[in-house]
Amino acid sequence: ETGVTQTPRHLVMGMTNKKSLKCEQHLGHNAMYWYKQSAKKPLELMFVYSLEERVENNSVPSRFSPECPNSSHLFLHLHTLQPEDSALYLCASSQDRGPLYEQYFGPGTRLTVT
Amino acid sequence: AQTVTQSQPEMSVQEAETVTLSCTYDTSESDYYLFWYKQPPSRQMILVIRQEAYKQQNATENRFSVNFQKAAKSFSLKISDSQLGDAAMYFCAYRSANDMRFGAGTRLTVKP
Repeated sequence: ETGVTQTPRHLVMGMTNKKSLKCEQHLGHNAMYWYKQSAKKPLELMFVYSLEERVENNSVPSRFSPECPNSSHLFLHLHTLQPEDSALYLCASSQDRGPLYEQYFGPGTRLTVT
Repeated sequence: AQTVTQSQPEMSVQEAETVTLSCTYDTSESDYYLFWYKQPPSRQMILVIRQEAYKQQNATENRFSVNFQKAAKSFSLKISDSQLGDAAMYFCAYRSANDMRFGAGTRLTVKP
């Protein structure tokens, strides 16, 4: 148990749907991350939040909209997705966002866009 | 942008034997950290080992050790006395104050 939970674990949605992914960390960390993991490709960092403020947005399409209402919760709102957005979405947290700090990952949400 | 390359998509090792996973990276920065993460079939990724670039001594964690060659920009992971539970995807990662990159991963199979 790493202390980072994600719901749902599996999600199938149509291209016109709106859905949200949820991440919760129980570790008292100040930084949270969203990653996209596609088969046979490097993990892609999408967003970084530090103390509830978005500090990085790595050229992610606007159909992905993150939200961090407090230091324990992170959401990824999805709308008008494309089939190529199908992937495993991982959430992670760390004590702080500096490179020294270990990231703790959640189990991921397997997203399929039909 | 920094790149991280894992040239071995798949590797296999006999139980109790030793295996080395390769990783190279490209950077112009002098201050950074390197990591190996393990992702078992259950998908929760965990940290295996970490190396600070300013340290010359190679990091070791029980059966896991690294061979860090800073000039060559190489960061390989050695797993000794391999166990069935070591079967997983292994990701090499680079982190600095300005960037964070992962390799594409190496799938390790452990044969009984």
